Amino acid sequence: QKEVEQDPGPLSVPEGAIVSLNCTYSNSAFQYFMWYRQYSRKGPELLMYTYSSGNKEDGRFTAQVDKSSKYISLFIRDSQPSDSATYLCAMTPPGTYKYIFGTGTRLKVLA
Amino acid sequence: IAGITQAPTSQILAAGRRMTLRCTQDMRHNAMYWYRQDLGLGLRLIHYSNTAGTTGKGEVPDGYSVSRANTDDFPLTLASAVPSQTSVYFCASTREGDSEQFFGPGTRLTVL
Repeated sequence: QKEVEQDPGPLSVPEGAIVSLNCTYSNSAFQYFMWYRQYSRKGPELLMYTYSSGNKEDGRFTAQVDKSSKYISLFIRDSQPSDSATYLCAMTPPGTYKYIFGTGTRLKVLA
Repeated sequence: IAGITQAPTSQILAAGRRMTLRCTQDMRHNAMYWYRQDLGLGLRLIHYSNTAGTTGKGEVPDGYSVSRANTDDFPLTLASAVPSQTSVYFCASTREGDSEQFFGPGTRLTVL
């Protein structure tokens, strides 16, 4: 079993839809949770960063962490064609620089 | 412009050849990383360096070596390339005490 599981998609939604992207993990020591966005032929860029359980909002993006269920989510409101990209979750336990990445979910927002 | 640069952007290489992928950052970040990204497998850590002069093995280190002679540069060497090393390679860095990894634009490597 992989430490981090993420549905690869692709996920296609109409413009304006609410998008939900999810990852599950098995290591209860993970405390830092991140979402990266990667456009085609580019490097990943950090979207959201959360520490421990709860919600964090940034504009149209909300990151949610449920440590009891070992489940994290990224919600995108009012999705735009420019949101079309691959979204990678990443997590790391405290005291280490090593990230564990999900395989990424490819999202297409249709105009 | 602050950030990470990687070279070359892409490369086609004959099997058995030696190749060094270059990575330079100007943010004075202490930690640097090399990942490979393959379809269906995501980003996998090859090697990392917590600070200049030290390196460590990641998840898939075989066939690769790194060095960290100074803070800014972290080259990745394939001593004798094999077709299974065909991939997109990303270099990343992190500031001490921070958790955000900054990624370079990647090197697309094809080994024939």
